[in-house]
Amino acid sequence: DAMVIQNPRYQVTQFGKPVTLSCSQTLNHNVMYWYQQKSSQAPKLLFHYYDKDFNNEADTPDNFQSRRPNTSFCFLDIRSPGLGDAAMYLCATGRANEKLFFGSGTQLSVL
Amino acid sequence: AQSVTQPDIHITVSEGASLELRCNYSYGATPYLFWYVQSPGQGLQLLLKYFSGDTLVQGIKGFEAEFKRSQSSFNLRKPSVHWSDAAEYFCAFGTDSWGKLQFGAGTQVVVTP
Repeated sequence: DAMVIQNPRYQVTQFGKPVTLSCSQTLNHNVMYWYQQKSSQAPKLLFHYYDKDFNNEADTPDNFQSRRPNTSFCFLDIRSPGLGDAAMYLCATGRANEKLFFGSGTQLSVL
Repeated sequence: AQSVTQPDIHITVSEGASLELRCNYSYGATPYLFWYVQSPGQGLQLLLKYFSGDTLVQGIKGFEAEFKRSQSSFNLRKPSVHWSDAAEYFCAFGTDSWGKLQFGAGTQVVVTP
């Protein structure tokens, strides 16, 4: 059974139209991460939550926001997607000294 | 500066042959090191990790990796590859055990008959 679920699997949006990607977990992990992976590149950390404590990476654009209403769910909001934001977005969860669990990702296309 | 490097962008290997993927890191202390595999359009699956202790780490799918502090390396090996091992492999580096990871650029592995 999938433990980190990302929806939708594929998302198409228009240039400048806000979009929300979701991630849910059944593992009760206190840490959740969002990574961005552009084509043929390594995943890059955007931000992470330690419980409700939000931690933004220094080079994450302001266009990217996140919400974590409870332990199980985390959302990635892209306020005004540009063509350069087309990528695979990976959610991961974890606890200290344990492995990360990744979701299957959401492939975002921007038209 | 902290960094992780995978020198080989692309490796082609025959089915049944051995495989070694290189990973080098730059960090002033012992890092947390990981190897992940990614099939096309999929998320990342952890193959193995090194936190401390025995420097030879066994992972899933018959993979192993050896941490060598003197060479700042964490190379991944498999004695005999299968066609299903064709994928992208990422070495990742962390400074804590939480999973805030920095990934290498990846090595694409192609397996030929």
